[in-house]
Amino acid sequence: EIVLTQSPGTLSLSPGERATLSCRASQSIDSNFLAWYQQKPGQAPSLLIYGTSYRATGIPDRFSGSGSGTDFTLTIRRLEPEDFAVYFCQRYGDSPTFGGGTKIEIK
Amino acid sequence: EVQLVESGGGLVQPGRSLRLSCAASGFTFDDYAMHWVRQAPGKGLEWVSGISWNGDILGYADSVKGRFTISRDNAKNSLFLQMSSLRPEDTAFYYCARDTGPLGPNWFDPWGQGTQVTVSS
Repeated sequence: EIVLTQSPGTLSLSPGERATLSCRASQSIDSNFLAWYQQKPGQAPSLLIYGTSYRATGIPDRFSGSGSGTDFTLTIRRLEPEDFAVYFCQRYGDSPTFGGGTKIEIK
Repeated sequence: EVQLVESGGGLVQPGRSLRLSCAASGFTFDDYAMHWVRQAPGKGLEWVSGISWNGDILGYADSVKGRFTISRDNAKNSLFLQMSSLRPEDTAFYYCARDTGPLGPNWFDPWGQGTQVTVSS
């Protein structure tokens, strides 16, 4: 089973700052099979990025994804108040797995 | 508007059974694979099970294999999860999620709002 490790667990930032979230896989994965989701308190997760770098419909371009092999990154260029949430990476394909999540909190 | 609405959650004793349902609307249900994903209190996400558009391909997490059964009724635009031999560690919010293809698993979009399952004596 491929394990996804997200870091840091919590990121304390101010609105307007840049956020860099890491997702590391225990073995190399196809970049076509990596997604990111955002979850706000009391809400279901929602799709942000798929195929490592493709933004889902309606996702603003301040969100970007990159990476390959075992190391993947979600970058939020300038944090807006609505971006403070928990973010999960996911490897899809056989037996999908999720990372443990990174919480972005207001500093 | 695409909508997924889960139901059937509740408080159940260890060892008992529960059946979750997910009612889909706003899209052609039998064009897509579907999934169940759970989230224990304060924890991350765990894929539980998935089913292809026609029910021919089923997948389960090791943690639920042999205890949970996924199914669908395309005529009624509904997805189900039959949970048996429930354990306290099955306590979680259970989400229904749509795949982006007919066979899956691909990325999940959208997700329902979830239903709470609590396993406790």
